[in-house]
Amino acid sequence: GAGVSQSPSNKVTEKGKDVELRCDPISGHTALYWYRQSLGQGLEFLIYFQGNSAPDKSGLPSDRFSAERTGGSVSTLTIQRTQQEDSAVYLCASSSLPVSAGSTDTQYFGPGTRLTVL
Amino acid sequence: EDKVVQSPLSLVVHEGDTVTLNCSYEVTNFRSLLWYKQEKKAPTFLFMLTSSGIEKKSGRLSSILDKKELFSILNITATQTGDSAVYLCAELSYSGAGSYQLTFGKGTKLSVIP
Repeated sequence: GAGVSQSPSNKVTEKGKDVELRCDPISGHTALYWYRQSLGQGLEFLIYFQGNSAPDKSGLPSDRFSAERTGGSVSTLTIQRTQQEDSAVYLCASSSLPVSAGSTDTQYFGPGTRLTVL
Repeated sequence: EDKVVQSPLSLVVHEGDTVTLNCSYEVTNFRSLLWYKQEKKAPTFLFMLTSSGIEKKSGRLSSILDKKELFSILNITATQTGDSAVYLCAELSYSGAGSYQLTFGKGTKLSVIP
């Protein structure tokens, strides 16, 4: 079956431009996560969606970052007025139940979007 | 101060060796401890540990959680070159209002040489 997909796989943009990153979770998965991995850094949690509930935005690095999840499925991560420090690999993951439930422990990752801000 | 601390930061072993990777975490609003293997861009989920003292095992990999001492270990026996990767530990914690957060350590870079 299809896994988590992300698009684009690579994005090069100029400083100050807005970018949109897309994530298609595995069909039927209610939980969706966005992470960021900068060069030489660990994996940083950004935001978590559970079904149609309001997301936990506490991990977003600044108010230039926002995310939506339409119809409990596809999610877009938007970065406004990009800065060079936004350059990173952005990873999306989904799971059939929230990790917090304890009843499932498999979180599936997409291939990531490599964002380069010039 | 880092909330999740992994050690060692890097490790080089020969094929066939057994390795133990360490992860310590904070107790505040702790829910679970997760291990991942990252070879390229996307990490692969390995284990989620919620209960203390119960070993989880998958092939040559095993992991256990000690909630009293606030740490977890990941063991890999009979290492192979394919085990070379960065191993990430993450703490799932409750951040209030029905929300949860995953905090990652910096990882342990394991290199297995033939």
